[in-house]
Amino acid sequence: DQQVKQNSPSLSVQEGRISILNCDYTNSMFDYFLWYKKYPAEGPTFLISISSIKDKNEDGRFTVFLNKSAKHLSLHIVPSQPGDSAVYFCAASYTGTASKLTFGTGTRLQVTL
Amino acid sequence: DSGVTQTPKHLITATGQRVTLRCSPRSGDLSVYWYQQSLDQGLQFLIQYYNGEERAKGNILERFSAQQFPDLHSELNLSSLELGDSALYFCASSVLSSGNTIYFGEGSWLTVV
Repeated sequence: DQQVKQNSPSLSVQEGRISILNCDYTNSMFDYFLWYKKYPAEGPTFLISISSIKDKNEDGRFTVFLNKSAKHLSLHIVPSQPGDSAVYFCAASYTGTASKLTFGTGTRLQVTL
Repeated sequence: DSGVTQTPKHLITATGQRVTLRCSPRSGDLSVYWYQQSLDQGLQFLIQYYNGEERAKGNILERFSAQQFPDLHSELNLSSLELGDSALYFCASSVLSSGNTIYFGEGSWLTVV
């Protein structure tokens, strides 16, 4: 049962344009959401997070939006840069007694010149 | 550099053998997580320890075991290795046991031949 889903395995965006990566979840108990970026043969790097009490969190070029009613979150990257080319994972957790991050399957973003 | 250290970075071993992967968490982090990433797969949660105690268990095979020591470093033991165990094994750490950001190490590449 895939509780966190990233339905787009890949996305190609031109440099300077906006990249929008989407993520859906099914577990309504999730209350903390994160995005990680991963280059080949490296560990995932934390990008940005959002608590369920918010609907938007911004950090530089990265903004995460959360729509709790739709159980959907998205990551916007503006403007996209070639160095943003990587695999992006969304993850979710809940402040339960034994929670851990549940990851989506990832979206490979390619930013072209 | 996330501050999470994993050794070895690369390991090649034969089927039926046993290996131990080691992880030192970030300074001050009490929680350690192990994840597995096979080719073209997402990050699969294996197990979590918090301050020396097992806190959550995921899709960890019975042939695999882990522990967290008093100095908070952790080891993942993989035994009776099979070809399908070839994967990238990530350790991550966090301050709390749930509902927070976790930081990943660079991973240990295991190849079973």
